[in-house]
Amino acid sequence: EAQVTQNPRYLITVTGKKLTVTCSQNMNHEYMSWYRQDPGLGLRQIYYSMNVEVTDKGDVPEGYKVSRKEKRNFPLILESPSPNQTSLYFCASSLMGPTSGRAGELFFGEGSRLTVL
Amino acid sequence: QQQVKQSPQSLIVQKGGISIINCAYENTAFDYFPWYQQFPGKGPALLIAIRPDVSEKKEGRFTISFNKSAKQFSLHIMDSQPGDSATYFCAASPEYVLLIALWVDSNYQLIWGAGTKLIIKP
Repeated sequence: EAQVTQNPRYLITVTGKKLTVTCSQNMNHEYMSWYRQDPGLGLRQIYYSMNVEVTDKGDVPEGYKVSRKEKRNFPLILESPSPNQTSLYFCASSLMGPTSGRAGELFFGEGSRLTVL
Repeated sequence: QQQVKQSPQSLIVQKGGISIINCAYENTAFDYFPWYQQFPGKGPALLIAIRPDVSEKKEGRFTISFNKSAKQFSLHIMDSQPGDSATYFCAASPEYVLLIALWVDSNYQLIWGAGTKLIIKP
């Protein structure tokens, strides 16, 4: 089954304790991206990757790191989480970049709800 | 210029009624307008998309209407059903037509509306 898998789905942590949210896709997609979703603010892009070893900042990259060492995986790293990073996080992938018409259709994971105390 | 303004923030519609969600943009370079649907506890999924060469696109009960001169587009859900209850996101971007290497320009990303929570009452 074609899917984007995120882990963990739920996490409660404390300020400053490094954490990683993993994302893996099995569709051989070139493009991967991380979003955070907050009430009233919609989806805001954190980082994206157009290909292996190619990553770029989105709209809200502060406090986050990513890496793309393999095509299928795109982990999101919070080196020193803070309460303002409490949010619902989504990983997404697409065959090509998201502006490529139908080939840019984004496939989202089911989300990771993170709470930072 | 990069914003997409979506309204209303929330919407309650009776079963069988028409749900209408509106989006407006300013950047005239935008020429690809998808709508994503998100059910509770799930990630968004592409519902329907339109390019400005047509004024309307219909897929089942879902219709996108596009007004290029007003820089507005809207989603209409006909005969709304409780199963349509979800959050709907509009988005916009310039569609990058690839003539050379695919990854030359990575600056084109979707600009998202803030979302509309739609509730269909039985």
